[in-house]
Amino acid sequence: DAKTTQPTSMDCAEGRAANLPCNHSTISGNEYVYWYRQIHSQGPQYIIHGLKNNETNEMASLIITEDRKSSTLILPHATLRDTAVYYCIVRVLGGATNKLIFGTGTLLAVQP
Amino acid sequence: DTGVSQNPRHKITKRGQNVTFRCDPISEHNRLYWYRQTLGQGPEFLTYFQNEAQLEKSRLLSDRFSAERPKGSFSTLEIQRTEQGDSAMYLCASSFLAGGTDTQYFGPGTRLTVL
Repeated sequence: DAKTTQPTSMDCAEGRAANLPCNHSTISGNEYVYWYRQIHSQGPQYIIHGLKNNETNEMASLIITEDRKSSTLILPHATLRDTAVYYCIVRVLGGATNKLIFGTGTLLAVQP
Repeated sequence: DTGVSQNPRHKITKRGQNVTFRCDPISEHNRLYWYRQTLGQGPEFLTYFQNEAQLEKSRLLSDRFSAERPKGSFSTLEIQRTEQGDSAMYLCASSFLAGGTDTQYFGPGTRLTVL
């Protein structure tokens, strides 16, 4: 699975959009981009995933560049409860392995 | 759907003791995963089951660790002769392959402290 690079930490003002970047320059054509978050002392929570097209759900939007070498997770109106570590993961579906490979993620701190 | 559940949530044990953790996946999920997370790090994969078959094991899963999923439903992770280095959060996740997607949903974890 391709490696991802994320900033160590970011701040965001409450009520503003939080834009979390992820670089995955070695991504293969059959690898999906997944985002999870982990609030302190809880299990990781699935947010969203995509292959080529931009995706949106009730939690967030995922913007994937045309060359698929980077993506951005957007939380449109951040709240204090969105303070967490956000993990960007690339993963082949249906491949020999089904494991998720987590990096150290981005610690998003939403400020009041 | 109550999500993935794990028991116990916390376990404190003395070095050398054996411990067992249980994971109950989301109903109908045929895939189950165990991960381990130490302080400041992301979760690390330990092992993966499809139904009752254990299909992949990490090098992290030493011979003191054993996982089972006897009827393809709940799973147990046992650590024998615990060491202080085993102190970590043990996470379970489950998934179901449908329509080409296979999203893993995690439980709350079991925090193990080895004294």
